[in-house]
Amino acid sequence: DQQVKQNSPSLSVQEGRISILNCDYTNSMFDYFLWYKKYPAEGPTFLISISSIKDKNEDGRFTVFLNKSAKHLSLHIVPSQPGDSAVYFCAASETGTYKYIFGTGTRLKVLA
Amino acid sequence: DTAVSQTPKYLVTQMGNDKSIKCEQNLGHDTMYWYKQDSKKFLKIMFSYNNKELIINETVPNRFSPKSPDKAHLNLHINSLELGDSAVYFCASSQGTGGGQETQYFGPGTRLLVL
Repeated sequence: DQQVKQNSPSLSVQEGRISILNCDYTNSMFDYFLWYKKYPAEGPTFLISISSIKDKNEDGRFTVFLNKSAKHLSLHIVPSQPGDSAVYFCAASETGTYKYIFGTGTRLKVLA
Repeated sequence: DTAVSQTPKYLVTQMGNDKSIKCEQNLGHDTMYWYKQDSKKFLKIMFSYNNKELIINETVPNRFSPKSPDKAHLNLHINSLELGDSAVYFCASSQGTGGGQETQYFGPGTRLLVL
C-alpha cells in the first residue's frame, strides 16, 4: 500500500518554461513534506520542504504547494534549466515517527 | 569533506556471502537511517538509530543487522546474501531532535550486486 504516489514517471519541459511535478498522499497524519532531487549514481539531495501549517513555500526558482484537503503537493520550477534534469522524489512524514515515506520519483528532462 | 559518506560505493559478491556496508556522518546529527532502493527505484526505510538506539526496524529479514558504534556511524551487516538483496543502499542522517519536521541528508549510495 503506497502512501505517497508520484503518478508521472517522467516529464519533459523546454528550457525556460515551468516544470510542475505532482505528488499525492493518502495518510492524513502526514504533516511534513519534502522534495529531493537525485542525479544518477548519487544520493538524493534535499531541495525544499513544507509543513502542513503552510500551503506554499518558496526558495528561489523552486516553490512547493500543499493542498491538504486534496492530499496533494506539487513542486514548481521556474524557469527550468537543463541542470534541473534529474529524478525528483517527494517524501512525507508524521511528526514523532522519524519515518519518511518516499514516492517512486518523476524523471524530469529539461530540453535545451 | 563529505557530510554523509558510505563505503564501499560498489559491492559485487556471491550468493551466501556475508558483507558489511559502512556509513559515517560528520554533521553532528543524532539520527541515522538505512534505506534500500530496489529495481523499481522505490526508496524504502529499513532501519533508524537515534543516539545509538534502534528506533525504526521495518519488516526486514533478520539477515540484515545494523550496528551503531557511536552516533556518527551506522553500519549495515548482511548475512547469507540472496539475489533479491541486489539494490542500492543509502545511508542518511538528520538532527534527530524530536522525530519530525527534519531534513534527512543522504550518502551517495552503495550499489550491491549479488551473483
